[in-house]
Parts: sequence; structure tokens; C-alpha cells
Amino acid sequence: KNQVEQSPQSLIILEGKNCTLQCNYTVSPFSNLRWYKQDTGRGPVSLTIMTFSENTKSNGRYTATLDADTKQSSLHITASQLSDSASYICVFDQTGANNLFFGTGTRLTVIP
Amino acid sequence: NAGVTQTPKFQVLKTGQSMTLQCAQDMNHEYMSWYRQDPGMGLRLIHYSVGAGITDQGEVPNGYNVSRSTTEDFPLRLLSAAPSQTSVYFCASTLGDPSRGELFFGEGSRLTVL
Repeated sequence: KNQVEQSPQSLIILEGKNCTLQCNYTVSPFSNLRWYKQDTGRGPVSLTIMTFSENTKSNGRYTATLDADTKQSSLHITASQLSDSASYICVFDQTGANNLFFGTGTRLTVIP
Repeated sequence: NAGVTQTPKFQVLKTGQSMTLQCAQDMNHEYMSWYRQDPGMGLRLIHYSVGAGITDQGEVPNGYNVSRSTTEDFPLRLLSAAPSQTSVYFCASTLGDPSRGELFFGEGSRLTVL
């Protein structure tokens, strides 16, 4: 069964600190892995998109990594800002299927 | 830059009532889709369309109808609302194959069925 599980469910960090969010998956095969940021009451917004053959993709302070051996992806946020407070969702598109598999998200709160 | 526009943002219905959630995009995207987001679950695909006149079912289509008469619009219809349809609904679109391009989401429509 294709599943995407994220950890932790929620996380609180101090402004300026780094953090890493985890995503474990069983989706196979997949074409792309995406990370989205979803502010409260808003729609998801794309942060990174990487193919199955890439190991890392950066977008400013956000860096996504992919380890196909352990079936894990991580999103690393450096020098966190208050505006980083949001839910972060990892998404896999299964090759050949018109569907995306969404994780349940990690709720990040950055406090001053 | 309107992007993907959803209306209404909030709606309360009684069981058995019908309504339509509207979705419009101004990016000339071929692919449009509807998702629902429930607490503790990832977004789930309800219906999708790869172009005007073409629609197909997603993972959770029961209780919902869609049509795609124009490239711009993709309304989602609830014919007889049930409490299980209480959720936040998102419309999303992309230019071509959703497995290749960036998916753009609307701001969401929060529906409560009493």
C-alpha cells in the first residue's frame, strides 16, 4: 500500500534555530517528490520539487533531501524565521498514475 | 495574478442540501483537480480533469460530481450533503501532466455539514 508518513506531527523551535522534518514513504515507483508549505487557512505552496534520481534540492533556506535506500526524505530549514510557522507536507507522485500521495504534514511553530 | 480562485471560502449546509464549490484558474492550465483535507489525513483526490470535456474519478469520488465545460472552470457539486463531507476542499491546477509540473492550489473552501 502506498503510504507517506511524516514526523514529528508538530515541532516548536526558537527563531534563528535550524530544524529537520522527516518523511518516510512506501510509494513505488515514483517520479517526483515535492515539499509544500501550508500556512493556516491557506492552500499549499510549492517549496521544492525533485525527481526520484536527485538527492538534494534547495530553495533558499529550505533544503530537501532524498535517500532511496531508506525510503526517507527530509526538509531542512536553516535560520528559522517567524514566517516559517506553517505545516509542511511531502508529496509523491506515483509513476504512471494520475494521483499524488500526500503526507499528513508537520506543524512547525517558530517562537521568538 | 489571480491564479486559482475558489468560492465560497466558508459554507454551512444541512444534511441533504446541495451546493456547488466553484473553482476558476486564469493560467490556461489543462489539468484541474479537487482535493479534500481532513484532520490527521493527507490531501485526498476527489475528481480531476485533463482538459475541457474530460473528467475522471480520484481516490474518494462518492457523493461528488464534476464537469469541465471550459478550460478555466471546474466546479464541484455535492448533490445531497452528508456530515462525512465536512472538510476543507482545495482546487488545484497545473499546465500539463501533474507528475511533472508544479501544482497550484486555491485558498480552500471550508464546508461544514450539520
